Amino acid sequence: EVQLVESGGGLVQPGGSLRLSCAASGFTFSSYPMNWARQAPGKGLEWVSYVSGEGTTVYYADSVKGRFTISRDNAKNSLYLQLNSLRAEDSAVYYCAREHLFDYWGQGTLVTVSP
Amino acid sequence: QLVLTQSPSASASLGASVKLTCTVGSGHSSYAIAWHQQQPEKSPRYLMRLNSDGSHTKGDGIPDRFSGSSSGAERYLTISSLQSEDEADYYCQTWGTGMVFGGGTKLTVL
Repeated sequence: EVQLVESGGGLVQPGGSLRLSCAASGFTFSSYPMNWARQAPGKGLEWVSYVSGEGTTVYYADSVKGRFTISRDNAKNSLYLQLNSLRAEDSAVYYCAREHLFDYWGQGTLVTVSP
Repeated sequence: QLVLTQSPSASASLGASVKLTCTVGSGHSSYAIAWHQQQPEKSPRYLMRLNSDGSHTKGDGIPDRFSGSSSGAERYLTISSLQSEDEADYYCQTWGTGMVFGGGTKLTVL
């Protein structure tokens, strides 16, 4: 059974940093690209970042480019998102999801950016 | 720029059918999309991949009541025999150098 479990969310002040993690199981992690998406309270889904299976190709939404960094550790079956220079508008539930189809989603982790 | 457009809301009666629409932006009418369902207070769930020719591949455990079709730049999700648990937000999504979500359609089951 495919499982994706996010962690690392929390309350952080504007300008601060967080590192989100996504633990994957039930599939050959290194064979699949992975994504982060987010959903602000009461809003729709927004794609954040993509990383290829090998970790060599990454893409970012314009709204986070230069502030967020996606990475993965295939030996640990884990996906990461480093969030720097956080703003109030980055407050959202962050989801990891498998491949370009987003065919499996995690349960999400809440990031709140507030003084 | 790759854009997906969805109507903000739709409604239909219990037991009836509803057809939701996702329009692929100009110049990208051959793109495949994915449909996702998000029930209240839950994570999104993948429903299906829908190709421009209308062929589709559903995710694990998705009932036969959910089907997809295409016409030009329009991608459709049809839900038949509506049940109360189908009341949810439905998102279309596609991919290129980056991923794109539509704005979502909130489906109300009357």
